Amino acid sequence: EAQVTQNPRYLITVTGKKLTVTCSQNMNHEYMSWYRQDPGLGLRQIYYSMNVEVTDKGDVPEGYKVSRKEKRNFPLILESPSPNQTSLYFCASSFSSGRMAYEQYFGPGTRLTVT
Amino acid sequence: GENVGLHLPTLSVQEGDNSIINCAYSNSASDYFIWYKQESGKGPQFIIDIRSNMDKRQGQRVTVLLNKTVKHLSLQIAATQPGDSAVYFCAENPHNFNKFYFGSGTKLNVKP
Repeated sequence: EAQVTQNPRYLITVTGKKLTVTCSQNMNHEYMSWYRQDPGLGLRQIYYSMNVEVTDKGDVPEGYKVSRKEKRNFPLILESPSPNQTSLYFCASSFSSGRMAYEQYFGPGTRLTVT
Repeated sequence: GENVGLHLPTLSVQEGDNSIINCAYSNSASDYFIWYKQESGKGPQFIIDIRSNMDKRQGQRVTVLLNKTVKHLSLQIAATQPGDSAVYFCAENPHNFNKFYFGSGTKLNVKP
């Protein structure tokens, strides 16, 4: 089954404790992206990757890091989480021709609470 | 997510009626648009997309209309069913730009 998986689905942590949220897709997609979703604000893009070893900032990258060492995986790293990073996080992937965008497939989400 | 519907505009329709959900986009350079459906506790699910060289596209029970003059996008759902109850987002992609911008969404409530 074609899918995007994220782990963990729920995470409660404390300020300053480094964490990683994993994302994996089995569709051989070039493009992967991370979003956060907050009430009334819609989805906001944190980072995206056009392919292996190619990453770029989205609209809200502060406090986050990503890496793309393999095509299927795109982990999101919070080096020192703060309460304002409490949110619902989604990973997404899509095919990319380089010149045209295509529909993104989303993971089930990770609910992060930072106390 | 379970609280994504807070503070969102809500459209309530009777089962069997047609629904129209609207979206105003901001960037005149956007040339690719997507509608997503998000049920409580789940990730957004692709419904239908349209590129700027078209003004209408139809899927199964859904139609997307694009008016580039006024930068407006609409999603029409025919014969709305209780399973259509969800939050609906539009997303825009500016030409040659590898980022998507999402609207805040509309909550569709289908009354049986």
